[in-house]
Amino acid sequence: KAGVTQTPRYLIKTRGQQVTLSCSPISGHRSVSWYQQTPGQGLQFLFEYFSETQRNKGNFPGRFSGRQFSNSRSEMNVSTLELGDSALYLCASSPSEGRPYNSPLHFGNGTRLTVT
Amino acid sequence: DAKTTQPPSMDCAEGRAANLPCNHSTISGNEYVYWYRQIHSQGPQYIIHGLKNNETNEMASLIITEDRKSSTLILPHATLRDTAVYYCIVPPNAGGTSYGKLTFGQGTILTVHP
Repeated sequence: KAGVTQTPRYLIKTRGQQVTLSCSPISGHRSVSWYQQTPGQGLQFLFEYFSETQRNKGNFPGRFSGRQFSNSRSEMNVSTLELGDSALYLCASSPSEGRPYNSPLHFGNGTRLTVT
Repeated sequence: DAKTTQPPSMDCAEGRAANLPCNHSTISGNEYVYWYRQIHSQGPQYIIHGLKNNETNEMASLIITEDRKSSTLILPHATLRDTAVYYCIVPPNAGGTSYGKLTFGQGTILTVHP
């Protein structure tokens, strides 16, 4: 099976712009989660989608949003970019079968966003 | 998530076993212990998870103490490619439906030396 695919791999944007990142989960996986990783804050949970519905949300401002399509692919959007949004954005998928706490996450290699 | 405590860094000689400890004294009920690792510039990689019994897969072994308050991840024959940050995580088992929300700490930086 192909792994989690994130595009683009690298992105450079200017303050005030918006950006859309894409994630294709492993085939058959229905849950998609997004994480932000920065040197100062480490890995932080952004949100999770399941069957096109946001199921959980982290402590991030409303400029961060996402959506999931019927084929489980997901996108996240960041509007009005700030310098502090420079980070590695990671997507993870899970089969979402059985008990939630017994279901490993499979991560992509992320999109490296640089805001100048 | 149940709070986990890991040493910030460890060293290991190539070919030797790497034993990475994790304390999770507040673990409760049917909460699992998960291990992930992150090699530089890549996404975290799932390694192994367990509940009570010791677990082994092609990557590693997981030893959980009988009282479940601590565990050890064992890489039996460490290679240079095992140099990474290793995260021990205990996702909450609160009867919810969330599969994707994990709380990552700072992890242990494992450096494997030639």
